[in-house]
Amino acid sequence: TQLLEQSPQFLSIQEGENLTVYCNSSSVFSSLQWYRQEPGEGPVLLVTVVTGGEVKKLKRLTFQFGDARKDSSLHITAAQPGDTGLYLCAGAGAGSYQLTFGKGTKLSVIP
Amino acid sequence: NAGVTQTPKFRVLKTGQSMTLLCAQDMNHEYMYWYRQDPGMGLRLIHYSVGEGTTAKGEVPDGYNVSRLKKQNFLLGLESAAPSQTSVYFCASSGRYEQYFGPGTRLTVT
Repeated sequence: TQLLEQSPQFLSIQEGENLTVYCNSSSVFSSLQWYRQEPGEGPVLLVTVVTGGEVKKLKRLTFQFGDARKDSSLHITAAQPGDTGLYLCAGAGAGSYQLTFGKGTKLSVIP
Repeated sequence: NAGVTQTPKFRVLKTGQSMTLLCAQDMNHEYMYWYRQDPGMGLRLIHYSVGEGTTAKGEVPDGYNVSRLKKQNFLLGLESAAPSQTSVYFCASSGRYEQYFGPGTRLTVT
């Protein structure tokens, strides 16, 4: 069974601060995705990373896939209240399109 | 282009009642999934389908059945609802890795 551990579980920061969220596993994933979920809605895909060491940027969000493809991080620069939400990482094993989800990091950005 | 839609949005059932949740997607995706989301548990896969007419069990399939008679629809059935099935249910579809989620159905079983 592949497990994804996300940390921290909860994060409350002031507007303008930087933060990093981590997603770790002992398993190797062929791809890893990050989703954001707002209350009362379904998760929305932010990014997919597939190559070890890959870095992708989406405005103020930077995503990194570990060299061994077992871990990933999400860094947000100058957080804004609109970044508030539940951030989920999800990994796909080799030859599979099924995803294993982490339990998420609940981020609150206070104005 | 509606993406993934789910009906109903909310439902309250009494223990032992049955119901069917409907998921529809208009992206011509082969893969469809049903998840449940509970506090502290994350998203857990109930059943999934890799194409029309096929279904398979996920991580937590007990108490649920599914059908995929048409490519665009994926139905989740509860034959005899139990309080432990109180949850938020999400349907998703994918062409490859990226999954697109519906807005969810909040189900309460009393």
